[in-house]
Amino acid sequence: DAGVTQSPTHLIKTRGQQVTLRCSPKSGHDTVSWYQQALGQGPQFIFQYYEEEERQRGNFPDRFSGHQFPNYSSELNVNALLLGDSALYLCASSPGNWNGAQYFGPGTRLTVL
Amino acid sequence: GNSVTQMEGPVTLSEEAFLTINCTYTATGYPSLFWYVQYPGEGLQLLLKATKADDKGSNKGFEATYRKETTSFHLEKGSVQVSDSAVYFCALPDGSGNTGKLIFGQGTTLQVKP
Repeated sequence: DAGVTQSPTHLIKTRGQQVTLRCSPKSGHDTVSWYQQALGQGPQFIFQYYEEEERQRGNFPDRFSGHQFPNYSSELNVNALLLGDSALYLCASSPGNWNGAQYFGPGTRLTVL
Repeated sequence: GNSVTQMEGPVTLSEEAFLTINCTYTATGYPSLFWYVQYPGEGLQLLLKATKADDKGSNKGFEATYRKETTSFHLEKGSVQVSDSAVYFCALPDGSGNTGKLIFGQGTTLQVKP
């Protein structure tokens, strides 16, 4: 049983560019959350998708957007990249009968130059 | 909203030493509490959880007890190993229910020396 998978592993972009990160949830999970983890910090919640809709959103600007597909996989898009967007982006999935635990993928390391 | 505070690191211990990493929280109601671990270069793994007051979560020799009187969820291990070297995060859901949005502490780095 595959866990949460993310692609790509690493990504280097320049300021002003756009990026798309991808996530496949753990089998049986239908809810996907995205987190940003800056170096030396705890993860910060970006948003959560359920039934192809954004269900919750953290304190992130509209440059951060997402999508969930019918197979529950998800994308995170970031427009007009800033140097401060450099971070590890983590995807987490959970089942519909959520009991609090979320299962995280290995993350995508984004570097903005 | 809910919040969590962890002791600052790094924590450096010798192998077989006793470990305590402090975590205190502020919350509406009595949400589930979690400890996650992040090994170098990896994502987060759920280490243990407790879903109600006085519950003790345990896994891989680590333990934490949900203490509502002191609003704490301290992580302990009786004898650490070099392989326990990692960053440990205390976390809880935001809001009064299980909303799916987790709030994390800033993380405590543990380094265990042989």
